[in-house]
Amino acid sequence: EAGVAQSPRYKIIEKRQSVAFWCNPISGHATLYWYQQILGQGPKLLIQFQNNGVVDDSQLPKDRFSAERLKGVDSTLKIQPAKLEDSAVYLCASSLEVRGPAINTEAFFGQGTRLTVV
Amino acid sequence: GQNIDQPTEMTATEGAIVQINCTYQTSGFNGLFWYQQHAGEAPTFLSYNVLDGLEEKGRFSSFLSRSKGYSYLLLKELQMKDSASYLCAGVYGQNFVFGPGTRLSVLP
Repeated sequence: EAGVAQSPRYKIIEKRQSVAFWCNPISGHATLYWYQQILGQGPKLLIQFQNNGVVDDSQLPKDRFSAERLKGVDSTLKIQPAKLEDSAVYLCASSLEVRGPAINTEAFFGQGTRLTVV
Repeated sequence: GQNIDQPTEMTATEGAIVQINCTYQTSGFNGLFWYQQHAGEAPTFLSYNVLDGLEEKGRFSSFLSRSKGYSYLLLKELQMKDSASYLCAGVYGQNFVFGPGTRLSVLP
């Protein structure tokens, strides 16, 4: 079974530039997550989709970050304009559809995109 | 927020047993996951606990006490390849909330 695919693996940009990350989840996984992981910290949820609808984007800095999952399959995360503090690994994860009031199935993670803003 | 707390770093010797603790806020809690993350790689699933008690899976076991807001991951017969970060993640409704991770170094 193919895993979660992300591209690019690495990206270096200057502050105030724009960048986009792409994620293709595991086939059949309805739930897709974008996490930001700063070095030495745990992943922080940015946005969660179920199919093509947003479940939670409460921690997404909406003035500069945007994400979409138009056809309910792959997803893009964009930062415009980037700041130095955006340097982190951006992880995409997917899971089977969350049914009921709480998650009860593990998320599978991609290898992430390491972003360096200079 | 849902405070997930873990020790930042631990060191243990090859062949030994190590216990990594995790505490969490009990309000709204639905379950707990443990993930392993090697440097520069994606987190990979280790265990899931929703009921009190111990779940054993080979050399790794995970324990949960819902009333105490406490979990631990137990690693037996440590191997060098177990050097990694171990992430505790609480489930609150539709969300995973990750702790800061515990970086485990296994020494020969």
